[in-house]
Amino acid sequence: RKEVEQDPGPFNVPEGATVAFNCTYSNSASQSFFWYRQDCRKEPKLLMSVYSSGNEDGRFTAQLNRASQYISLLIRDSKLSDSATYLCVVNMGYGGSQGNLIFGKGTKLSVKP
Amino acid sequence: ETGVTQSPTHLIKTRGQQVTLRCSSQSGHNTVSWYQQALGQGPQFIFQYYREEENGRGNFPPRFSGLQFPNYSSELNVNALELDDSALYLCASSTGTNPNTGELFFGEGSRLTVL
Repeated sequence: RKEVEQDPGPFNVPEGATVAFNCTYSNSASQSFFWYRQDCRKEPKLLMSVYSSGNEDGRFTAQLNRASQYISLLIRDSKLSDSATYLCVVNMGYGGSQGNLIFGKGTKLSVKP
Repeated sequence: ETGVTQSPTHLIKTRGQQVTLRCSSQSGHNTVSWYQQALGQGPQFIFQYYREEENGRGNFPPRFSGLQFPNYSSELNVNALELDDSALYLCASSTGTNPNTGELFFGEGSRLTVL
């Protein structure tokens, strides 16, 4: 089983749609969780952290369920500019080899006019 | 822009050759991590350097090696190149060895093609 698994995608949605991405992680000792965004042929950039209580940043809402080892990202009122690949990311939390970020394969979102 | 610069941006090598990729970290960042991103995959952790010492390594063979310099810039060296080494190599800088904030600042990457 892969350490971080995401919906395969691609997701093709019209402008204004609500879209949800899901992600599961295998290691229950994982400490922190994030969503990164990667535009085509560009570097990944942090979109938002994910907290157990859930958190919202404008049109984006992230949720974490530690019991189910499940992370989600909800995008409301999709914009053309939201088109990108969304990477689910897990951090083991401590230094050394556990200090690195584990990335999922990513889910590609394409928002159409 | 993140302030992390990588060179070269693109390069082509043949099997068996060696390659060196370079990275200048963002000002004030003392930690550099290297990732390999194959086409259609997420980035995979190669190793991390903190204050010139390797501070963690992913599941990559010893022919992948690195250095960090006193100014915190870094190099990734790959010996005996194989076709499967073709990928985008991303350098990311951060402060400290425990980036629990999750914010790594990535460079735009070096795209390596091995023929």
